[in-house]
Amino acid sequence: GQNIDQPTEMTATEGAIVQINCTYQTSGFNGLFWYQQHAGEAPTFLSYNVLDGLEEKGRFSSFLSRSKGYSYLLLKELQMKDSASYLCAEHRHGNNNDMRFGAGTRLTVKP
Amino acid sequence: DTAVSQTPKYLVTQMGNDKSIKCEQNLGHDTMYWYKQDSKKFLKIMFSYNNKELIINETVPNRFSPKSPDKAHLNLHINSLELGDSAVYFCASSHSDRGGNQPQHFGDGTRLSIL
Repeated sequence: GQNIDQPTEMTATEGAIVQINCTYQTSGFNGLFWYQQHAGEAPTFLSYNVLDGLEEKGRFSSFLSRSKGYSYLLLKELQMKDSASYLCAEHRHGNNNDMRFGAGTRLTVKP
Repeated sequence: DTAVSQTPKYLVTQMGNDKSIKCEQNLGHDTMYWYKQDSKKFLKIMFSYNNKELIINETVPNRFSPKSPDKAHLNLHINSLELGDSAVYFCASSHSDRGGNQPQHFGDGTRLSIL
């Protein structure tokens, strides 16, 4: 929804690497957030990218290409607890911290 | 030491009733938000308040009325509840920063079910 596209579901194996892609509309774009949401829980902040390139934070990394309107979240050494929805959210110019979410990618990690 | 707390956690009520959801944050943030997450898990902004002033008001029926008595509280009152209002409502807060790198902190959600 809201011109932010990400896959609905993904499945990966414990210990593997998975990449979750997100595309967004570029007009008015300021930065890109990634949130993790376990079933029945609140979304929690993972990362924020405003400049092009890869930002690494432990097992999780996030990449941004402003010219392509594209981001991805990379999860390494997957653990069972990483099974969750991953929400891509676009921060736009204008209103304070106006954040528009994608529909989320539900990741299932299997043993 | 809960950061963003909203009550109640579960709300089951009948169509046509009026209900309120309360939200409080103790993070010292100056901006608070209400989101609706429907059955398809799509998280959509409803309202945003900065220092008690309405900043974002998306296309939401006027049956929904937010109230911010101070910058630590943002309550949501809903009149004449309808079946389509069934969803999880999340409150969130953040610092206001036009640089945009201020993550929003979410409450645990209020699961509203309309009978």
